[in-house]
Amino acid sequence: DAKTTQPTSMDCAEGRAANLPCNHSTISGNEYVYWYRQIHSQGPQYIIHGLKNNETNEMASLIITEDRKSSTLILPHATLRDTAVYYCILAVNNFNKFYFGSGTKLNVKP
Amino acid sequence: DVKVTQSSRYLVKRTGEKVFLECVQDMDHENMFWYRQDPGLGLRLIYFSYDVKMKEKGDIPEGYSVSREKKERFSLILESASTNQTSMYLCASNTPYNEQFFGPGTRLTVL
Repeated sequence: DAKTTQPTSMDCAEGRAANLPCNHSTISGNEYVYWYRQIHSQGPQYIIHGLKNNETNEMASLIITEDRKSSTLILPHATLRDTAVYYCILAVNNFNKFYFGSGTKLNVKP
Repeated sequence: DVKVTQSSRYLVKRTGEKVFLECVQDMDHENMFWYRQDPGLGLRLIYFSYDVKMKEKGDIPEGYSVSREKKERFSLILESASTNQTSMYLCASNTPYNEQFFGPGTRLTVL
């Protein structure tokens, strides 16, 4: 049970921002939002995670709504190498089971 | 850099064979995981381990067992391989902040 809902696929033009939404309306107070991506034929790669506040690192930004029922992963300047399946996952920080749903297939086009 | 390695990228075995998939991580992580990934089903957790000699069943443990004799090594065992265990197998370990690092995967084909 993934507990998150993501669009099946999205397109983005190279150089533009990619905004990937995730709905998690039943999120618990102690659950973090994690984002991973999987490029074809590779293992998933950690991107970012957050609890309440917006987060930014060298790869992406994570925007979490005030009610925490949804979030958006932002890749500020998408490149062709960002084409991948992006997974939004909920997990308690000190409990390590992750449920990977189907994710969003992001296609970055020239 | 965290490194998680898996013993083989591709493996072909016959039905009924005993299969060992090995995973090694070099960052002294406590927790290690085995997933399988199938088209349309995403990643599914088979087993995980939070300490040496400790193991917990994931969502689909049937037909599998695991071994964690050393902190850095987590092995997945298929006691008697079957064709429905043909899949991509992914090993991971994670930091105390729950960032999981995955290996490159082993694509197992059971004939």
